[in-house]
This record gives sequence, C-alpha cells and structure tokens, in this order.
Amino acid sequence: EAGVAQSPRYKIIEKRQSVAFWCNPISGHATLYWYQQILGQGPKLLIQFQNNGVVDDSQLPKDRFSAERLKGVDSTLKIQPAKLEDSAVYLCASSLELQSSYNSPLHFGNGTRLTVT
Amino acid sequence: DAKTTQPNSMESNEEEPVHLPCNHSTISGTDYIHWYRQLPSQGPEYVIHGLTSNVNNRMASLAIAEDRKSSTLILHRATLRDAAVYYCILRDPFGNEKLTFGTGTRLTIIP
Repeated sequence: EAGVAQSPRYKIIEKRQSVAFWCNPISGHATLYWYQQILGQGPKLLIQFQNNGVVDDSQLPKDRFSAERLKGVDSTLKIQPAKLEDSAVYLCASSLELQSSYNSPLHFGNGTRLTVT
Repeated sequence: DAKTTQPNSMESNEEEPVHLPCNHSTISGTDYIHWYRQLPSQGPEYVIHGLTSNVNNRMASLAIAEDRKSSTLILHRATLRDAAVYYCILRDPFGNEKLTFGTGTRLTIIP
C-alpha cells in the first residue's frame, strides 16, 4: 500500500512569514495526526482528526497554527506568522478507524523539515 | 498519560541480539505497551505492541514483566539498518488513542 505522503520535504522561511504543509494519508485511514518534532526530542502531537472532525488539539498553538481536513482525506497545517522556535520537522500520521481498531498502528510520513530564519 | 523511562543510548555489535529496556511503573491495567522506531531522516515506524503476554513478529519480540512495570524489546540479530531511536509508549485504548513520545533510546550498531 502507498504510504503517507507529505510535501514539501523542506521549507526555509523568514520569521513572521506564513507556511503551509500538506498531507495525504493512507487510503481508508479515518484518523489523521500532525506531530511536531524539534531536534533531539520525540514527536509532540499538535492535532488529531477523525474523518474531518477534531479529536484533540490541546497542544496546538492556536494563535498561530491552524489545521484543516476537508472531506476527511487530505489535510493542511498552516503557521502564520512563523517564529524562530517553530523550526522543526512536521510529521503527519494516519491510522484506521478509531473505534474499530484501537490498537491500529500509526503510519507516519517522512515529514517536512521547516527552518525559520 | 502514563510515563516510560528508557536509557538515552545503547550500543550493540552487528549480528548480535539487542535488548532494549523500558520501565513503566505507573502503567494502568488497560494500557498497551507500544514500540516505535525512527530511522535517520524518516518518520517513526511501528515495531510491536502487547498487553500482558510476550509477543513476536517479523521485526522483533516484546517481553513483558509479570507485574507489567517493565518491558524489553528484543532484536534477535541486529543489522546496521536497525540503528535508530526506539520509543517505548503506553497507549490507552479508552482514551483518544494518541501516542505520546518520550525521548527514546538511540541505538548504535557497531559493524
């Protein structure tokens, strides 16, 4: 099966600019996650969707970060305006239906490496 | 979320078994133990998970202590491709199933 697709692979922007990341999950996966991974740390969950509804966005800095998953398939994560501390790898992951398979593994994309200068 | 404790780093010789420990003394009765690994410049990938009994799959084995307060991921014959950061994570099936990552164990394989 095709994996989780993310683009772009790399992005360099100046602080206060805006940026958007795109994710296409594995076909049939209802649950989609965005994680932020700062160098030397483990990934941190930013937001979790089931279909096109938000399940958990408690750690999303809502003053500058936004995410959407229209039609319950692709998703975009946006940062506006970016800060230096947003430099990180942004990972998208997907898994099967939440209720039917509660231990279904998460499948991760290879991420977008963002550098804010 | 329940916490896990892992060594920051480990080394192992190629073609030898590797035992990666994880302590989770505050595990609840319904938490599953999951292991993921992250190869350089890639996203994490699922390795194995279990509840009480030891588990085996094509990638690894998971040995779970009888009191469930610790577990060990076993790579039976390490290769250079197994060099990665290994994360031990507790996952609550009655929560929203999110994975909360720690800093993991960086495994170095010596040729």
